[in-house]
Amino acid sequence: AQSVSQHNHHVILSEAASLELGCNYSYGGTVNLFWYVQYPGQHLQLLLKYFSGDPLVKGIKGFEAEFIKSKFSFNLRKPSVQWSDTAEYFCAVTSLSGYALNFGKGTSLLVTP
Amino acid sequence: EPEVTQTPSHQVTQMGQEVILRCVPISNHLYFYWYRQILGQKVEFLVSFYNNEISEKSEIFDDQFSVERPDGSNFTLKIRSTKLEDSAMYFCASDRNTEAFFGQGTRLTVV
Repeated sequence: AQSVSQHNHHVILSEAASLELGCNYSYGGTVNLFWYVQYPGQHLQLLLKYFSGDPLVKGIKGFEAEFIKSKFSFNLRKPSVQWSDTAEYFCAVTSLSGYALNFGKGTSLLVTP
Repeated sequence: EPEVTQTPSHQVTQMGQEVILRCVPISNHLYFYWYRQILGQKVEFLVSFYNNEISEKSEIFDDQFSVERPDGSNFTLKIRSTKLEDSAMYFCASDRNTEAFFGQGTRLTVV
């Protein structure tokens, strides 16, 4: 079965610091990869997704992620975080048989002023 | 911007009771989903629904669970006889073409 691992469960950064959140998945075949964000009190929102093509994917709010097939990784990055980036971040992979998302455990990001 | 809406936002029920969680997906979407998140754990897939039938379900989605699209707008999740371990946040989602939009969730507390 597919699994998704997010290495950092809690991250605390100062504003303007750079961010990288790790995500690895277990399946070696064709995958669709996603990063979702959940701001406090809000619903899950899509940050970015990768299906094929350029492995460097740009999303909303200055986020990007790089798909490295050889490492089974899809790490999320942002060069300079803001206080408003405080949220829970989830990496997800689609299942083998359909569109259902398999989520990682999430990373809680706190950005301090 | 269209959104997925879920009601109620919070439901408390006694163990053994039936609950129905309601969702109104985005109107032109074709795929509908239920996920749950037990406190402190990851978001878990329960079931997907397409063309008026279940297209995929997880091991969690046993005989206690059922889904229905009773009319053109609502998508419901029923738990027949709730257990304490059903306490969780339940998220509905819908998509048309590979991007799932999530509702705000229903927090179910079984006492």
